[in-house]
Amino acid sequence: AQTIHQWPVAEIKAVGSPLSLGCTIKGKSSPNLYWYWQATGGTLQQLFYSITVGQVESVVQLNLSASRPKDDQFILSTEKLLLSHSGFYLCAWSLVDRGSTGQLYFGEGSKLTVL
Amino acid sequence: SQLAEENPWALSVHEGESVTVNCSYKTSITALQWYRQKSGEGPAQLILIRSNEREKRNGRLRATLDTSSQSSSLSITATRCEDTAVYFCATVYSGGSNAKLTFGKGTKLSVKS
Repeated sequence: AQTIHQWPVAEIKAVGSPLSLGCTIKGKSSPNLYWYWQATGGTLQQLFYSITVGQVESVVQLNLSASRPKDDQFILSTEKLLLSHSGFYLCAWSLVDRGSTGQLYFGEGSKLTVL
Repeated sequence: SQLAEENPWALSVHEGESVTVNCSYKTSITALQWYRQKSGEGPAQLILIRSNEREKRNGRLRATLDTSSQSSSLSITATRCEDTAVYFCATVYSGGSNAKLTFGKGTKLSVKS
C-alpha cells in the first residue's frame, strides 16, 4: 500500500526566516508529485508539480521553490518567509499514466504560521 | 476566475437528514471528482465521475454529472456527525502528465446531533 508522509506537522516561523517542508511517498514508483497551498478556509492552489527526479515545474509564483532530489521525495522551501506564506501545505501524488483521470492522494499536510 | 465552484458556501443539517452540494464548472472536462477535507487533514477523494457517466454511487454518497449544463451534485443520505467537513469538487481537464486538477472553494457542511 502506498503511504505519503509530510513533515513537519506544524511550524511557527518568523518573517524573513528560511523554511523547508518535506514529503515522502512509499510504495509507488515514479509518481507525479504536487505541492498545494491552502489559506485558512480557502481553496487548494497548486504550487508545483514534478513528473520525475530533478524536474519541477512551477505553477504559481509565491517566492517558494521546490525540488525532487529522489524519486520518492519532494521538498518545498524558501530562503525568506513572508506573512502571506502562512497556511496549510499539502503534498500529493498521482498516477503517471496518460489518460489518467488525475486522482490525487494527499498527505496530512503541514500547517505553517508566519509571525 | 474559478473554473469550478461549489454552492452553497455552507450547510448545516441534523444527523439522519440528507444533503446535496452542487458544483458548476466552466471548461470541458474528462472527469470530475468530489473530495472531502476534515479539519486539519488533507483532502480525500470520495467519488470520481467520468464525462461519459451520469451518476456514480459510493455507499451513502451519490454524484451526478450533467455535461450539457456543466454541473454536478453530491448527495449524502443519512448524514452522520463524522460527515462534517468541507466538500470540494475538482475538475480534470488534462490527460497529460500533470493531471491538472482545479478545485473549487468548497462547501462547509456541519452535521449536528
